[in-house]
Amino acid sequence: ETGVTQSPTHLIKTRGQQVTLRCSSQSGHNTVSWYQQALGQGPQFIFQYYREEENGRGNFPPRFSGLQFPNYSSELNVNALELDDSALYLCASSPIPAGANYGYTFGSGTRLTVV
Amino acid sequence: AQTVTQSQPEMSVQEAETVTLSCTYDTSENNYYLFWYKQPPSRQMILVIRQEAYKQQNATENRFSVNFQKAAKSFSLKISDSQLGDTAMYFCAFMNPFAYSGAGSYQLTFGKGTKLSVIP
Repeated sequence: ETGVTQSPTHLIKTRGQQVTLRCSSQSGHNTVSWYQQALGQGPQFIFQYYREEENGRGNFPPRFSGLQFPNYSSELNVNALELDDSALYLCASSPIPAGANYGYTFGSGTRLTVV
Repeated sequence: AQTVTQSQPEMSVQEAETVTLSCTYDTSENNYYLFWYKQPPSRQMILVIRQEAYKQQNATENRFSVNFQKAAKSFSLKISDSQLGDTAMYFCAFMNPFAYSGAGSYQLTFGKGTKLSVIP
C-alpha cells in the first residue's frame, strides 16, 4: 500500500482564477471522493468517482468538477474561484465495495487560499 | 438529509485518564454506518472505529470503544488510557449506503468535530 497522496500541499490563488488539485489513490482503489473542509468545520462531500465516472454529488455548484484516471489518480477542478472556496480539500479512496466495509483512506489534503 | 451533531467543541484530559466524546445524529433510516475519525495536525483523516447499525454489540479497537444507542441516535467514543498522541480533532461521521446520490455512492456526513487535548 502506498496510501493517498495529494498535491500541492498549499496553494494561493486569486479570485476568479481556476485551480486543479491532484490526488493519487492506493492501487486497487476504484472509488475516489473529494471533500471540502472549511476552517473549524467538518468535511463536506463534493463528489465521488467510480471507474472514471461521477456517481454521486453533494451540494456544490457545477464549477466544481473532477476527473478520475485509470491509473488511480484523480483531479478536482474549480473554476471562477470565490473567497469562500478557501478551505482544505481532502481526497479519499476505497476499494470495491466502497467505504462502508473497508473504510476510506484519506490524504493529507491541499490547503487552498483564495485572495 | 442526515445530520451529525458534536456538542463539545473542545475537551481536555490528563494523560492515562479516560475521556468520552459525544455524538448524536438524525436519520430516518434503519441500516447505516457510523464512524469516528481522528485528524491530527498532519491533517490526514484517520479511521478510529466503525459501527454497523444492525450490530447491537458496541465496537472496540484497543483503547477506543463506542457506546452506540440506536434508539437515542447517540454514538459516543470512549478513549481509555489517554496518550499524548491522541491529541487531535475527532469527527463523528454517518454513512447511509442506501441513500444513493448516484449508484454506488457512499458519502460521509461529518459533524463539526471535537478538539481533544491530552495534558501531560
